[in-house]
Amino acid sequence: EEQLLESGGGLVQPGGSLRLSCVASGLTFSGYGMSWVRQAPGKGLEWVSAILGSGDSTYYANSVKGRFTISRDNSKNTMYLQMNSLRAEDTAEYFCAKGRGISATAPYSWGQGTLVTVSS
Amino acid sequence: QAVVTQEPSLTVSPGGTVTLTCGSSTGAVTSRHYPYWFQQKPGQVPRTLIYDVSDKHSWTPARFSGSLLGGKAALTLSGAQPEDEAEYYCSLFYSGVGIFGGGTKLTVL
Repeated sequence: EEQLLESGGGLVQPGGSLRLSCVASGLTFSGYGMSWVRQAPGKGLEWVSAILGSGDSTYYANSVKGRFTISRDNSKNTMYLQMNSLRAEDTAEYFCAKGRGISATAPYSWGQGTLVTVSS
Repeated sequence: QAVVTQEPSLTVSPGGTVTLTCGSSTGAVTSRHYPYWFQQKPGQVPRTLIYDVSDKHSWTPARFSGSLLGGKAALTLSGAQPEDEAEYYCSLFYSGVGIFGGGTKLTVL
């Protein structure tokens, strides 16, 4: 059974950094594009970033470009989101999602999420 | 950056039919925007219902269908059930960058 498990969330001060991880199991990880989607408390979904299965191409929402970096280690079945210069508005549940194929990053299946709180 | 628009709220009677739409500020939605539809119930993780305009996930009930309609992506629910009450989001892609709509709160009443 395919599973996506996020970790790394927590409380961080404004201006701080955090690295999220998403470990995939039950699938050939390198064969799938992956993405991060977030949801602020009581708000809608916001697409954050995506990476192709090969890791060659990455994409970012304007709201995080220059501050967040997505990456993956296919040997460890793991995707990362390095978040720097965090702001209060980055407070959200962060979901890891798997695409349908190596070049498809749109969310096809979802992890359970990890909560990031940016506050002093 | 494009803006993706959805109806904020809709109501459907049990057994009734309702269509939710997903529009783009850049013009007509096409298959190249890879429209997806997601369902989220309170306190739950979103789940994907429809991908690439009209293809269904393995768990998507047959009463849900996707299409392109009048320059927008559309999600039609035929024969609404009480358990279909939820928030529905669409997403569109623009050269690899995804944008979600604001969501439609669907009430079955």
